Amino acid sequence: QKEVEQNSGPLSVPEGAIASLNCTYSDRGSQSFFWYRQYSGKSPELIMFIYSNGDKEDGRFTAQLNKASQYVSLLIRDSQPSDSATYLCAVRVLSGGYNKLIFGAGTRLAVHP
Amino acid sequence: GAGVSQSPSNKVTEKGKDVELRCDPISGHTALYWYRQSLGQGLEFLIYFQGNSAPDKSGLPSDRFSAERTGGSVSTLTIQRTQQEDSAVYLCASSLGGGGSEQFFGPGTRLTVL
Repeated sequence: QKEVEQNSGPLSVPEGAIASLNCTYSDRGSQSFFWYRQYSGKSPELIMFIYSNGDKEDGRFTAQLNKASQYVSLLIRDSQPSDSATYLCAVRVLSGGYNKLIFGAGTRLAVHP
Repeated sequence: GAGVSQSPSNKVTEKGKDVELRCDPISGHTALYWYRQSLGQGLEFLIYFQGNSAPDKSGLPSDRFSAERTGGSVSTLTIQRTQQEDSAVYLCASSLGGGGSEQFFGPGTRLTVL
């Protein structure tokens, strides 16, 4: 089982809809979770992080964390074509005596007009 | 500079040659990471530096790959005797704290081995 799993997609949504991106992780002790967006041919950029159970909102983005079920999700409201990108989930784990980020393989989102 | 910088942005080399890729992290960031990303694939972790030491080299694919960091700042990733399968984008990231803090990525170096 991979440490961080994401559906590779593509997830296709119409413009204006809500896009829901999901990520599950295997390390129950993980405490910090990050969402990165990567446009084609570009490097990943951090868009949100979440540490506590529940929802965290930032503009059109909402991160949701459920530690009991070991999943974290990203909701994008009023999706725009400019949101089309690959979204990477990253989870902080303790390994070999220090913390590290483990990245999922990413979900490709396509928002069509 | 304001962000992580990497050089060169593109590198084309012949099979068997050595290459050096450079990363200049955000000023004050103590942690530095190298990743590799093949076309359409996820991030493959290579190595993590905390200061000048590398507590985690577990991702280096072979002994042809090495990295160093001097002065707690600039890092160089060296690939010896390059192979075609080394072709990928090599990404560097830095973070303010230790491993597990939010990482900020550079623009990457696209390596093509002919």
